Order: sequence, then C-alpha cells, then structure tokens
Amino acid sequence: QVLLVESGGGVVQPGGSLRLSCAASGFTFSNYAMQWFRQPPGKGLEWVAFIRNDESDKYYSDSVKGRFTISRDISKNTLYLEMNSLRGEDTAVYYCAKGRVDFGSWGQGTLVTVSS
Amino acid sequence: DVVMTQSPLSLPVTLGQPASISCRSSQSLVHSDGNTYLNWFHQRPGQSPRRLIYKVSNRDSGVPDRFSGSGSGTDFTLKISRVEAEDVGVYYCMQATHFALTFGGGTKVEIK
Repeated sequence: QVLLVESGGGVVQPGGSLRLSCAASGFTFSNYAMQWFRQPPGKGLEWVAFIRNDESDKYYSDSVKGRFTISRDISKNTLYLEMNSLRGEDTAVYYCAKGRVDFGSWGQGTLVTVSS
Repeated sequence: DVVMTQSPLSLPVTLGQPASISCRSSQSLVHSDGNTYLNWFHQRPGQSPRRLIYKVSNRDSGVPDRFSGSGSGTDFTLKISRVEAEDVGVYYCMQATHFALTFGGGTKVEIK
C-alpha cells in the first residue's frame, strides 16, 4: 500500500525559507518519478514541481521557478522541496504524489503559511 | 501552459438524479505515447484529493460504477449516474500529458 507523509510546514516570514519532506513507503521509491502540488486555502489545486526517478529531469511551475528546488534521497525514501524567497502567495497545503502520471495516492499534506 | 476549463462552477443536484461536469483543454491531451492523461479528482472539505478516473475513462479501485468518464482530444466529461449524499464536494479535472500539469478550476457539487 502506497503511503506518502508530508512534513515540514509551518509559519514563515516573507522572504524566508522552508524545506518540506515527503516520506514514501509501500513502493520502490527509486523506480518512480515524484511530484509536488499545492492548494492555497479555499482555492484550487496547482502543480509545483517534478523530478524523474534518476533525477535526470526536474521541472517547475513558472510561479516557483528559481525559488524552489525539488530533490530526493533514495537511501531515505524521501522527497524534498526546498523553498526560498517565500511570498504570501506561496501559502498553501503542499502535497506530494508518486509517479509521472499516477496520482492515485496523496498524503495528508503539510500547511505552509507565509506571513509577517 | 494548457488551460483546463471546467463547467459549471457550481452544480446543485437532487439525490438520485444524474450530474455531468465538462472539462475542455486548450490543446489536445493525446500524448506522444498514444495515451490521453486526463484525470478526475474529488475533494471533500478538509480532505486530500482523491482520484476517481484516470486516462479519461478508467475508474480507480473502489470508485463506485455510478462514476464514468468519457471524451477525447480536448473535450471531456465526468458523469454521475445517480448522485448520492457522499458525492458532495469539489471535482477537478487535471491533465498530465503536458508539463506544466494543469487543473480545471473545480466544480462544486452540492445537494439541493
């Protein structure tokens, strides 16, 4: 059974940084691409970033490009999202997802609030 | 980016009656591998999204057969044959054919 557990959210000031983690289990982590999505409070879903299983490709939404970095640690079965230069519009629940096109499993998400 | 346009924005339905949600993309969602990566999600308040349909018309495990997806190219539809109380919430279409992945704006289904 696929299990994804996001963590690392919290309150951060504008311009600050935060690192999110996504602990994965129930599948062979090294075989799958992974992605991050987010959902601002009361709003719709937005794709954030993608990383291929071997890290050969990384893609970002225009809204986070140059500020966020996606990475993974195969030894820890963990996906990361390093977020810098945070803005109010980055306030959202962040979710990780397994695979390039497989979105059958979602974690509970972790809330990031950017506020002074 | 591919723009996903969902309609209606809000859908009041009577229990036991059918419901239909439309999703149109600004360009074809047929991937070079021949698949069409159009998904449908359901989200209840305070919960994570749950995928209902993948690749246009394939129901996920555990999804009731009253849900069905159809369409091709740029025009897609999610149908609920007989709405039940547990079906309330927001429905999103999402394309995973092209980067950046994009979602429709959502359709809120509520019981009349």
